[in-house]
Amino acid sequence: DVKVTQSSRYLVKRTGEKVFLECVQDMDHENMFWYRQDPGLGLRLIYFSYDVKMKEKGDIPEGYSVSREKKERFSLILESASTNQTSMYLCASTPTTGAKPYGYTFGSGTRLTVV
Amino acid sequence: DQQVKQNSPSLSVQEGRISILNCDYTNSMFDYFLWYKKYPAEGPTFLISISSIKDKNEDGRFTVFLNKSAKHLSLHIVPSQPGDSAVYFCAAWMAGTALIFGKGTTLSVSS
Repeated sequence: DVKVTQSSRYLVKRTGEKVFLECVQDMDHENMFWYRQDPGLGLRLIYFSYDVKMKEKGDIPEGYSVSREKKERFSLILESASTNQTSMYLCASTPTTGAKPYGYTFGSGTRLTVV
Repeated sequence: DQQVKQNSPSLSVQEGRISILNCDYTNSMFDYFLWYKKYPAEGPTFLISISSIKDKNEDGRFTVFLNKSAKHLSLHIVPSQPGDSAVYFCAAWMAGTALIFGKGTTLSVSS
């Protein structure tokens, strides 16, 4: 089974801190994604990556950056955490499939609280 | 601008009855539509998908119907079970892009 592991289930950080959320997948997937989930807003795409060192902005990239130095690891960085970044963060991966999507495999999520 | 819309935030159904979750989309270029299920404190899990060239796909108790002219799809769960209580997300995909999700519908199945 594909496994997507997010390093922390719960995090509490202070406003202004630099925050790193780590995600590792073990099935050699090319594509990795960061979403955030908020009540009433669903899952919104922050950033995604189709290959090592490649990144693409999603719908809400402001205040975030990403790093993908190795194929299995995709990090989300909050440059200066703010209270409106309190959210559930979900990482996902999927292989490159061409004409048909395989279902994304999601991690269990990181519940981040910024105080 | 929302491309995938789930207009019902919640749905309550009795055990054994049918659950129908609805989803509308605006972009006719989507190639596939997918449904995900999410329990609290867990990541979403893939449930069922349908190609834009099909109008129905069935997998056990789950059936997805696609009406391209209306840009509408629905997920039917028959019979509904208490373990189906979760948030259901509709998602759309086209080649070269990431999945676009709706806001989700919380399904509650009572016994």
